[in-house]
Amino acid sequence: EVQVLESGGGLVQPGGSLRLSCTASGFTLNNYDMSWVRQAPGKGLEWVASISGRGDNIKLAESVKGRFTISRDDSKNTVYLEMNSLRVEDTAIYYCPKVEQWLALDYWGQGSLVTVSS
Amino acid sequence: DIQMTQSPSSVSASVGDRVTITCRASQGISTWLAWYQQKPGKAPKALIYAASNLQSGVPSRFSGSGSGTDFTLTISSLQPEDFATYYCQQGYSFPLTFGGGTKVEIK
Repeated sequence: EVQVLESGGGLVQPGGSLRLSCTASGFTLNNYDMSWVRQAPGKGLEWVASISGRGDNIKLAESVKGRFTISRDDSKNTVYLEMNSLRVEDTAIYYCPKVEQWLALDYWGQGSLVTVSS
Repeated sequence: DIQMTQSPSSVSASVGDRVTITCRASQGISTWLAWYQQKPGKAPKALIYAASNLQSGVPSRFSGSGSGTDFTLTISSLQPEDFATYYCQQGYSFPLTFGGGTKVEIK
């Protein structure tokens, strides 16, 4: 069964850092692109970042460029989102969906809540 | 960036009704369009990819159509478990962008 499990969220002060992890099971991670998508409380979905199966093609939303980094460790079946210089507006549930053909997002985990507040 | 506009933002319907949701892209995206369903407190669930292809396990009452800039998601006979918010998403180019969502509520 294909599953992704996000972890690492929590409460952090503005300007702080946090690293989210996304552990995959049921599929070979390095065969697929992976993404991070976030959802602020009561709001819609916002794409944040994507990384190719080989890790050599990375895309980031303008709103997080220079602050967030996406990476992957296929030996650990894990994708990471390193978040620095966090802002109040980064408060959201962060999801790590698997990317299939047509850049659709076919499997989603339950998400990890990040709260940026003083 | 490609803007995705959904309409309506909400719709009230009864069990058994046919419901249609539209999604318009600000520029042509061929059939690089996906649809998702999200229930309160849950992660989104993939319904359709490439505009009209059902994800595995999705009931056949869901269908998608369209190409270019105009797309539709249709639920042929609304079931109690279908009351949720639906989002479209374009995969034609980065940044990936989502529509604002359509909430399907009980009438």
